Amino acid sequence: AQSVSQHNHHVILSEAASLELGCNYSYGGTVNLFWYVQYPGQHLQLLLKYFSGDPLVKGIKGFEAEFIKSKFSFNLRKPSVQWSDTAEYFCAVTASGGSYIPTFGRGTSLIVHP
Amino acid sequence: EAQVTQNPRYLITVTGKKLTVTCSQNMNHEYMSWYRQDPGLGLRQIYYSMNVEVTDKGDVPEGYKVSRKEKRNFPLILESPSPNQTSLYFCASSPPWGRGDSYEQYFGPGTRLTVT
Repeated sequence: AQSVSQHNHHVILSEAASLELGCNYSYGGTVNLFWYVQYPGQHLQLLLKYFSGDPLVKGIKGFEAEFIKSKFSFNLRKPSVQWSDTAEYFCAVTASGGSYIPTFGRGTSLIVHP
Repeated sequence: EAQVTQNPRYLITVTGKKLTVTCSQNMNHEYMSWYRQDPGLGLRQIYYSMNVEVTDKGDVPEGYKVSRKEKRNFPLILESPSPNQTSLYFCASSPPWGRGDSYEQYFGPGTRLTVT
């Protein structure tokens, strides 16, 4: 079974700072990778996803993530955060071609100070 | 509008009083699931369903029941709620495998449950 680790549980940044949130997974086969975002009081919504092809994936609101297969990583980045990026971020993985069962990381809480 | 709906959004109840949280999706998705979200623990899957009449346990199924009699609905049942089931609950659905957006989860708005 796959597992997901998000190393940063809480991140506090000032506006315009750069962001990188770590995500590592363990699974020996082909995977699909996701980042979801949960704004305060709201439900989770998809930020970006990787299925195949270019390992650098661009999502909404200026976010991007890079799939590094050799490191089993899918880190989320944004060059310049805004106060409105304050949210909880979840990394998730599913086994490609397998069951639907996704595995979520525990989440990273990001607070951006204006 | 394509969406996942949950009802109620907020519920305060007492220990032992049976309750049902409804979940419905209008996207003809085959896969549906229930999660609970607790501080520091992230999202934990309770039950999931691959299709009508097909359900299976997730990571934390104790104290919960589900049914999938229709493709669009996936209710979560707490037969005898206890205070440790106080949590934020999310329903999610996903398209069938093989479509371009396979595995992407579409989440409902959440149900905040308090059991006293």
